[in-house]
Amino acid sequence: QVQLVQSGAEVKKPGASVKVSCKASGYTFTSYYMHWVRQAPGQGLEWMGIINPSGGSTSYAQKFQGRVTMTRDTSTSTVYMELSSLRSEDTAVYYCARALRQAFDIWGQGTMVTVSS
Amino acid sequence: EIVMTQSPATLSVSPGERATLSCRASQSVSSNLAWYQQKPGQAPRLLIYGASTRATGIPARFSGSGSGTEFTLTISSLQSEDFAVYYCQQYNNWWTFGQGTKVEIK
Repeated sequence: QVQLVQSGAEVKKPGASVKVSCKASGYTFTSYYMHWVRQAPGQGLEWMGIINPSGGSTSYAQKFQGRVTMTRDTSTSTVYMELSSLRSEDTAVYYCARALRQAFDIWGQGTMVTVSS
Repeated sequence: EIVMTQSPATLSVSPGERATLSCRASQSVSSNLAWYQQKPGQAPRLLIYGASTRATGIPARFSGSGSGTEFTLTISSLQSEDFAVYYCQQYNNWWTFGQGTKVEIK
């Protein structure tokens, strides 16, 4: 079946970086764009950016420009999201989500990232 | 940035009743609007895209309407599994979400 499986929870110190992976299966990896969305504890959903798994092109929300990098590995059908210069406000669940006609039809299970000294 | 505003923040409904959720965009998003359901500890689930098209496997009691700046999600007869938080999302100009409406048991 179509699924996205993300890497496990992370605990990082302020100023560090985190890299979250999202492995796709059950469909042609390069045929669908992938997004990253985060959700702080008790809060709503926040779009972070998009990557085209075919060519690797990316676009990021202005809020994260300069701090986020999205990449992909077509040999393993995996996309990655790296966020640098972490601060406490980055504590959140990070989701990857596949795009279907621009909406997000398949979501990963989420990866909790905790930033704490 | 297009701002999405959902109302009400919380909706108290009895099982079997109809629920009507609203979403307003700060500028026109045409029909580029989706609705998601999220239960505690779970990832969001796509319910509606294109403002009114149900996603695969979504029951017919969920319906979406609207275009431009005003949108509505209607759940015709609430089931126990429908109590959750609902988010609207526009994808006409980048992607932004509303702040969510929590549907709780009355």
